[in-house]
Amino acid sequence: GNSVTQMEGPVTLSEEAFLTINCTYTATGYPSLFWYVQYPGEGLQLLLKATKADDKGSNKGFEATYRKETTSFHLEKGSVQVSDSAVYFCALSKYNFNKFYFGSGTKLNVKP
Amino acid sequence: EPEVTQTPSHQVTQMGQEVILRCVPISNHLYFYWYRQILGQKVEFLVSFYNNEISEKSEIFDDQFSVERPDGSNFTLKIRSTKLEDSAMYFCASSISGGDSYEQYFGPGTRLTVT
Repeated sequence: GNSVTQMEGPVTLSEEAFLTINCTYTATGYPSLFWYVQYPGEGLQLLLKATKADDKGSNKGFEATYRKETTSFHLEKGSVQVSDSAVYFCALSKYNFNKFYFGSGTKLNVKP
Repeated sequence: EPEVTQTPSHQVTQMGQEVILRCVPISNHLYFYWYRQILGQKVEFLVSFYNNEISEKSEIFDDQFSVERPDGSNFTLKIRSTKLEDSAMYFCASSISGGDSYEQYFGPGTRLTVT
């Protein structure tokens, strides 16, 4: 079946540290992959996406590369800020009607 | 920027009662979804809705659940007789198209507490 596994949190970093949040997936065929972010009190917002193997999604300094050989889509940022503190969700979707499969979310705390 | 809205933000109800969770999707979107997240667990797909009918539903979405688009703007999720295990955050989402490369826009969620 289709599923997403992401690293457990919380992840606590100091400002300007390097961030990696691991995400691996299981799917038949070729899913599209997404990272969503949820700030406190808000809905899930799309952070970036990649729709085929070797694509790199990027936004706001965050990057993730669709690696089919390792079935991974790890989220990275070179220098985190306090404002990046949020919960990050990895997700995949397949076929029509865009049903999403989400990971369990990783909470990121960035300290000044 | 257009956004998906949900009301109420928090709903407390007693076991066995009916609840209706409301969502206003983005106005030009055609595909609508409900997801839920039980505390500490994954965000789970419940149902997708297109052209005034359910296009897919999960095994969670049993006969106690129903969805409706009663007018041109609202999209509702009804739970007929709530159980304790229905306590969760419920997210509504919409997308302009149903293809798998299209992002979904999510609302802020309704926290449902069943006592």
